[in-house]
Amino acid sequence: AQKVTQAQTEISVVEKEDVTLDCVYETRDTTYYLFWYKQPPSGELVFLIRRNSFDEQNEISGRYSWNFQKSTSSFNFTITASQVVDSAVYFCALIDSAGKSTFGDGTTLTVKP
Amino acid sequence: GAGVSQTPSNKVTEKGKYVELRCDPISGHTALYWYRQSLGQGPEFLIYFQGTGAADDSGLPNDRFFAVRPEGSVSTLKIQRTERGDSAVYLCASRGGSSYNEQFFGPGTRLTVL
Repeated sequence: AQKVTQAQTEISVVEKEDVTLDCVYETRDTTYYLFWYKQPPSGELVFLIRRNSFDEQNEISGRYSWNFQKSTSSFNFTITASQVVDSAVYFCALIDSAGKSTFGDGTTLTVKP
Repeated sequence: GAGVSQTPSNKVTEKGKYVELRCDPISGHTALYWYRQSLGQGPEFLIYFQGTGAADDSGLPNDRFFAVRPEGSVSTLKIQRTERGDSAVYLCASRGGSSYNEQFFGPGTRLTVL
């Protein structure tokens, strides 16, 4: 069975601070895909970043960066120079090779001005 | 519209009634997902279609829940004999291509069972 754990329920930062959201996953598959989605107060989930299980290269895309480590089964997501508009619930998700999805319970990020 | 749409946006029903929730995916997307999201939790996987067939329905909680996608586009989630515990936001998402592609989510249907 697959499992995604987001240990941080809520995080509060002041604008312009960097913030890292943690995600730990469990799967027996060797091929899987990891995603981060954002759910703003309006409610609709929006895709942010993804990584497949064979590519541990960490990347930066604008203010977003991610750190994927298979050795610790972690897929952490960092927002640099946070902004008030970043306030939302962030979900980490694992998709197996057959397409089944497992989401974590989310981390609520509040960015204060 | 270009995105995933869901109707109705809100549904209030009484315990024991039957409800249908509709999802219109992005045109051309072969994969379609249904999720249930309760307050303070992440989307809970219910069922996943690849084309017209259910590729994985292991998340359906019991036999009161059923979903169809007869022509490989629009999907309907059907709930019989609704219970108060079925109250939640039901999300639909569609995806084109491989499982590595992102899912596009609809706005959800908020179901309230009185």
